[in-house]
Amino acid sequence: TQLLEQSPQFLSIQEGENLTVYCNSSSVFSSLQWYRQEPGEGPVLLVTVVTGGEVKKLKRLTFQFGDARKDSSLHITAAQPGDTGLYLCAGAPSRFGNEKLTFGTGTRLTIIP
Amino acid sequence: DAGVIQSPRHEVTEMGQEVTLRCKPISGHNSLFWYRQTMMRGLELLIYFNNNVPIDDSGMPEDRFSAKMPNASFSTLKIQPSEPRDSAVYFCASSLWGTGNQPQHFGDGTRLSIL
Repeated sequence: TQLLEQSPQFLSIQEGENLTVYCNSSSVFSSLQWYRQEPGEGPVLLVTVVTGGEVKKLKRLTFQFGDARKDSSLHITAAQPGDTGLYLCAGAPSRFGNEKLTFGTGTRLTIIP
Repeated sequence: DAGVIQSPRHEVTEMGQEVTLRCKPISGHNSLFWYRQTMMRGLELLIYFNNNVPIDDSGMPEDRFSAKMPNASFSTLKIQPSEPRDSAVYFCASSLWGTGNQPQHFGDGTRLSIL
């Protein structure tokens, strides 16, 4: 069974600060997706990283896929209250197959105005 | 464009009752997923379908749970009989095809409470 551990589990910081959350596994994934979930809603895809070492930016959010494709990080610069939510990573074992996604344990982020 | 639509949004019922959750995937999507989310266990895949055919139901907790997809635009998840430990938020998601690199589009979930 492939497991994805996310850390920290909870994070509360002041508006304007920077932060990094992590998604780690002992298994290799062909790709990794990051989702954000707000209260009362379903997760919404932010980005998919596919290549080992890949870095993708989405405004103030920077996503990196580890060289060995076993881990990923999400860095937020100058956090804003709108960044508050549950951040989930999800790993795909194969690029085109029917094997299910493995979702991480989640990081619950709160940005204090 | 309409996203994934789930109903009801909230369901409160007594232990032993039958519960039916409904999902309409995004038009043109060929894969549909049912998830359950709790604080203790996070987001767990229960079952998923490709072209209305169940591909992986290994996450279905026990025989009390069943899921059907009679056509490309409708799926149900049924719990009979329901138990308090089934209380959770149930999400339906769809994707163009399969898992892999495909993004999954989630509905807003059904919050189920079994008393």
